[in-house]
Amino acid sequence: DTAVSQTPKYLVTQMGNDKSIKCEQNLGHDTMYWYKQDSKKFLKIMFSYNNKELIINETVPNRFSPKSPDKAHLNLHINSLELGDSAVYFCASSQDLGSWGASTDTQYFGPGTRLTVL
Amino acid sequence: GQNIDQPTEMTATEGAIVQINCTYQTSGFNGLFWYQQHAGEAPTFLSYNVLDGLEEKGRFSSFLSRSKGYSYLLLKELQMKDSASYLCAVMDSNYQLIWGAGTKLIIKP
Repeated sequence: DTAVSQTPKYLVTQMGNDKSIKCEQNLGHDTMYWYKQDSKKFLKIMFSYNNKELIINETVPNRFSPKSPDKAHLNLHINSLELGDSAVYFCASSQDLGSWGASTDTQYFGPGTRLTVL
Repeated sequence: GQNIDQPTEMTATEGAIVQINCTYQTSGFNGLFWYQQHAGEAPTFLSYNVLDGLEEKGRFSSFLSRSKGYSYLLLKELQMKDSASYLCAVMDSNYQLIWGAGTKLIIKP
């Protein structure tokens, strides 16, 4: 059974469109994340949610908005897509956050969504 | 600023041993993680170190020296399937993971 799943796996769209990427985890974890991995392969944290509360919000454009209907889901909405948004977006989850460096902070990743903006 | 340094690429021979180094400068330290990422796939967890010393897990071992801001991942008895990128990540004082760019490991027969 897939622990962290994302849909869609591939997303090709035109500049200016609005799109969403869905993420679900069946691990019972309390914290979920969204990362962007660009062509240089750097993983950049975008958001994290802990018990439906946004606790980290990096300096990403407000065109990006996370939505968490419940603890098992964290969806990513992107408005007015731009060429520079093309990247692979990974969802991840961890059991805990800030457990004084405990291994429960280990993050488990979804398969990624390759977004291409034309 | 915060910084994680790893070699960009390494090449090793099947059956051999390879050591991938990682040095870090972060605001605080709450543990260091190693992940493996095959091309086109998600990163998968390999190891976690928060205390100094060596953690062994099968063919993979990870070492940490907090005073030196240094870690390495040691891979023994290399197999072709070990060809992948290896990402070093440090959890800082805000419990945010700071990621290195990864080391692409190429295994040759």
